[in-house]
Amino acid sequence: DTAVSQTPKYLVTQMGNDKSIKCEQNLGHDTMYWYKQDSKKFLKIMFSYNNKELIINETVPNRFSPKSPDKAHLNLHINSLELGDSAVYFCASSHQKGLASHVGQFFGPGTRLTVL
Amino acid sequence: KQEVTQIPAALSVPEGENLVLNCSFTDSAIYNLQWFRQDPGKGLTSLLLIQSSQREQTSGRLNASLDKSSGRSTLYIAASQPGDSATYLCAVSNRNDYKLSFGAGTTVTVRA
Repeated sequence: DTAVSQTPKYLVTQMGNDKSIKCEQNLGHDTMYWYKQDSKKFLKIMFSYNNKELIINETVPNRFSPKSPDKAHLNLHINSLELGDSAVYFCASSHQKGLASHVGQFFGPGTRLTVL
Repeated sequence: KQEVTQIPAALSVPEGENLVLNCSFTDSAIYNLQWFRQDPGKGLTSLLLIQSSQREQTSGRLNASLDKSSGRSTLYIAASQPGDSATYLCAVSNRNDYKLSFGAGTTVTVRA
């Protein structure tokens, strides 16, 4: 299936731990994104990469570090997890950033992170 | 900074009734506007995308309009069904940086 996939789907961990979430898209898109959806269901952009280059970096703590080994993958590593990091993290992709895709952004199923 | 507002926050209708969901945005310099559907505990499914040069898009029972100058979009769902129950999110792509700014969503319940 052509899609945006994320692993893991659920992640439960203790405060202070370091964890990673992986994202892969096989849609041939150039641009990938990470969004955070908080408990109030508000979705906010965190990062965006175009062809492995960081193009959007919102005001996100530097404990969050995205890594794009190639244009089909965008992983999110989080250091020293805090209670407030609990949320659902969505990965998305689209065609070239400048064109912003005539079909919009495609979203992964989300990773529900719970920090205890 | 782009701000997106969706009204109402929640809507409950009997099956068969038409749904009208509203979205407004503060900065009219958008590239496109996208409507998504999110089911509980699930990801986002793109429903319709309207380019800034377009005034509406249609897909089946769904119709979305865009009035860029007034910063508004409306999603119409005709003859609602219980399967339409979900949260509907509006998102605008900014012209200057193309990132999506989301509204808080409208949670729709269609009663059988």
